[in-house]
Amino acid sequence: GEDVEQSLFLSVREGDSSVINCTYTDSSSTYLYWYKQEPGAGLQLLTYIFSNMDMKQDQRLTVLLNKKDKHLSLRIADTQTGDSAIYFCAERATGGGNKLTFGTGTQLKVEL
Amino acid sequence: EAGVAQSPRYKIIEKRQSVAFWCNPISGHATLYWYQQILGQGPKLLIQFQNNGVVDDSQLPKDRFSAERLKGVDSTLKIQPAKLEDSAVYLCASSLTLPDTQYFGPGTRLTVL
Repeated sequence: GEDVEQSLFLSVREGDSSVINCTYTDSSSTYLYWYKQEPGAGLQLLTYIFSNMDMKQDQRLTVLLNKKDKHLSLRIADTQTGDSAIYFCAERATGGGNKLTFGTGTQLKVEL
Repeated sequence: EAGVAQSPRYKIIEKRQSVAFWCNPISGHATLYWYQQILGQGPKLLIQFQNNGVVDDSQLPKDRFSAERLKGVDSTLKIQPAKLEDSAVYLCASSLTLPDTQYFGPGTRLTVL
């Protein structure tokens, strides 16, 4: 079955890099996503990576995928206070239509 | 481009009452999803529509939850009767087609007392 795990909290200082980790179990995952959720808001798509890629960079965001270990990470360079939010990783498997399985979310707190 | 719209944003009801949520997807998006997000958890898919047909409703508690998308555009999700454990944020998402990236609305926060 599908299961996605994340650590619950991460605290960093403004200007430092943040690394949010995620592990998943479904080896048939095709796409893996990172979403951001600010208080009282819906989920905002940040970036995604196809399963045949190892890395994807998009401005301050770098996604690393280790398919062998089923490990996904999101690195945010030069973290700002506006990056404080909950970050969800999600996997989309080949079966089951377009169903996404989400992790429990990592709350990122950026301190001055 | 307008995003996914949902209403109401907040709803408070007593247990055993009924409630309905409305979603308007991004224009042209054929696929629509309803998710339930309990506090402290990630969203869980309740039901998925492709146009006006149901693709996946395996995790929808059908004894109390129902959803429809009659004309293949807007959708409503209903809970009747509500239980305390239904307190959650109900998120609607849409995608252009299957498979495609999902875009989420702001959600409806339901509190059942």
